[in-house]
Amino acid sequence: SSELTQDPAVSVALGQTVRITCQGDSLRIYYASWYQQKPGQAPILVMYGRNDRPSGIPDRFSGSSSGNTASLTITGAQAEDEADYYCNSRDNSDNHVLFGGGTKVTVL
Amino acid sequence: QVQLMQSGAELKKPGASVRVSCKASGYTLSTYGFTWVRQAPGQGLEWMGWISTYNTDKKYARTFQGRLAMTTDISTSTAYMELRSLRSDDTAIYYCARAYSSRWTHTCDFWGQGTLVTVSS
Repeated sequence: SSELTQDPAVSVALGQTVRITCQGDSLRIYYASWYQQKPGQAPILVMYGRNDRPSGIPDRFSGSSSGNTASLTITGAQAEDEADYYCNSRDNSDNHVLFGGGTKVTVL
Repeated sequence: QVQLMQSGAELKKPGASVRVSCKASGYTLSTYGFTWVRQAPGQGLEWMGWISTYNTDKKYARTFQGRLAMTTDISTSTAYMELRSLRSDDTAIYYCARAYSSRWTHTCDFWGQGTLVTVSS
């Protein structure tokens, strides 16, 4: 089966832009979804589909995809965006579901 | 509003079984399935499996084949996850999530609060 690869950690200065990437063969076929998880809390969905935000997610969050890489971009990062971010997609080999290992975003 | 309310924390001995429930409210159950995800202490999210509420189709991660069972009770809008033959490395927070699964995506748009399962002798 496939896997989804994420950088373990990234940092961004307050108000600047950060891009979080997710790589995997399944992303050539399937859309990625993105989840934000803060310490001690359940994950929440922040991006899905081609570039769709659930209600209540700020428009500083955007998504894109090219080839085997999906990206989540935070434009004008805020202190409250500091969290772990996970991608997921369907698995192209056996109809199962994959999660990336997560990226810890630190806002400096 | 959509809510998923999970059962409380569990302490189990190695070799035992655990059943976690997830009661859904605020939407039509048959429109979405349930995905179960777990998170070991300090680790990332691990997909366990998915069950449809439309036709009870199920998919289990290979890691759990033979130990995992997912069911739903439409009459009470509740999903259940049972994990058998527990080991210490099954200690984790177990989440249910409402899942939209289509040809192009598998998206978990609402999550339960999580259930801590501790396996210890």
